[in-house]
Amino acid sequence: DVKVTQSSRYLVKRTGEKVFLECVQDMDHENMFWYRQDPGLGLRLIYFSYDVKMKEKGDIPEGYSVSREKKERFSLILESASTNQTSMYLCASSPIVGDRAGSPLHFGNGTRLTVT
Amino acid sequence: AQSVTQLDSQVPVFEEAPVELRCNYSSSVSVYLFWYVQYPNQGLQLLLKYLSGSTLVESINGFEAEFNKSQTSFHLRKPSVHISDTAEYFCAVSYSGGYQKVTFGIGTKLQVIP
Repeated sequence: DVKVTQSSRYLVKRTGEKVFLECVQDMDHENMFWYRQDPGLGLRLIYFSYDVKMKEKGDIPEGYSVSREKKERFSLILESASTNQTSMYLCASSPIVGDRAGSPLHFGNGTRLTVT
Repeated sequence: AQSVTQLDSQVPVFEEAPVELRCNYSSSVSVYLFWYVQYPNQGLQLLLKYLSGSTLVESINGFEAEFNKSQTSFHLRKPSVHISDTAEYFCAVSYSGGYQKVTFGIGTKLQVIP
C-alpha cells in the first residue's frame, strides 16, 4: 500500500513564525499536492508538483511556498504564519498512469495547524 | 474553471436505510470523477472513480455512483447503510489533458443513526 506520511499530526505556532510542513511518500509517485481543508469549504489546492524542483500554483497559493528537492518529499512553507492559516493541511501523491488526470490521489492523515 | 457542487452538507439517515449523496460538476469534454471518504481523524481514501465506459461505478463496500453526462451529475448511492459508513464524503473532478489538478466539493457528512 502507498504510504503518505506527514511529519506532524498537530502543530501550534505563533503569528509571524516561519512554518514547515513535511510530507513523504514511499511509492515513487511523480505528482504531489498540498491541500488545506476547512469546514464548509472542502479541500482547496495550495500547490502541486509534477516533478523534482517543479511546482505549480493551485487555487490559493498566497502566503505559502513549497519545496521539492527529492522525489519523495514535498514541503509546504508558511513564510510568516497568520491566524487565517489555521487549518487542516493534507498532503497527497499520485502516479502518472496514462492520462495523469485519471490517477487517484493517496492522502496522508493531515496536519492540524493552529496559529495563535 | 472546473467546479464541483455537493448539494447537501449533512445527510442523516437511519441504519439499513438507503442513501443518496448528490454531486454535480461543471461540464467538460473529457472528465474524470471520484468519490473520496474521510473517516474521523484520518486523511481521505478513494471510494470509487469514473474514468470512461459504463455509467455505473461500484466500490468494494456496497456504494455505487452513476455518471449522468446530460445532467452533469455523479451521485453516490448505497441501498442499505451501516453505522460504519458514518464519515464525510467528497466528490472530486479532474479534467483530461495537462497537469493533474483535482477539484473537490465541500463535502457531505453522512450520519448514520442507529
